Amino acid sequence: QVQLVQSGAEVKKPGASVNVSCKASGYTFNGYYIHWVRQAPGQGLEWMGWINPNSAGTNYAQKFQGRVTMTRDTSISTAYMELSSLRSDDSAVYYCARDEGPYQGYVYWGQGTLVTVSS
Amino acid sequence: DIQMTQSPSSLSASVGDRVTITCRASQSIGTYLNWYQQKPGKAPKLLIYGASSLLSGVPSRFSGSGSGTDFTLTISSLQPEDFATYYCQQSYTTPRMYTFGQGTKLEIK
Repeated sequence: QVQLVQSGAEVKKPGASVNVSCKASGYTFNGYYIHWVRQAPGQGLEWMGWINPNSAGTNYAQKFQGRVTMTRDTSISTAYMELSSLRSDDSAVYYCARDEGPYQGYVYWGQGTLVTVSS
Repeated sequence: DIQMTQSPSSLSASVGDRVTITCRASQSIGTYLNWYQQKPGKAPKLLIYGASSLLSGVPSRFSGSGSGTDFTLTISSLQPEDFATYYCQQSYTTPRMYTFGQGTKLEIK
């Protein structure tokens, strides 16, 4: 069965970087884009961007341009999202999700990774 | 960027009620519209894709309609497990930029 398993919770200081991983299993990793979505406490869902595991091509939301980097390691079917220059308002749950295609949304999600930014 | 606006932001209803949530796009998105349900502490779950296609396994009391800029999610007879927050998402833009609405919290009256 398709699974996306994310790395554990992180606590970071302002100005630091965080790297969240998303390990895929149960399907051909290269066949589907991986998107990243975050959710601040009590807030809505915010789309951050995607990576194409086949080509390593990426597309980021303008809000995160310059601070986010999405990468992948196809040998271990894992996608990564690194966010730098962390601020307190980056505290959120970060989700990875498999893109079924533009007409189908996200069926499979990771369990979420809580990132807390605090001095 | 395409903006998605949901209404209402919150809604109180009773078990058995018929409920409708609307989502408006800032420009036409055809039928590239998805609906998700999220419960506290959990990842969202896809309910409807392509504006009106019900994901396999989702109860038939959920339905979606609309095209262009205006969309609706309808729950025909609310069940206790339906109290949650609902999000719309557009998947029209190229390259893919799948923005969400701000959410509608459905609470028990």
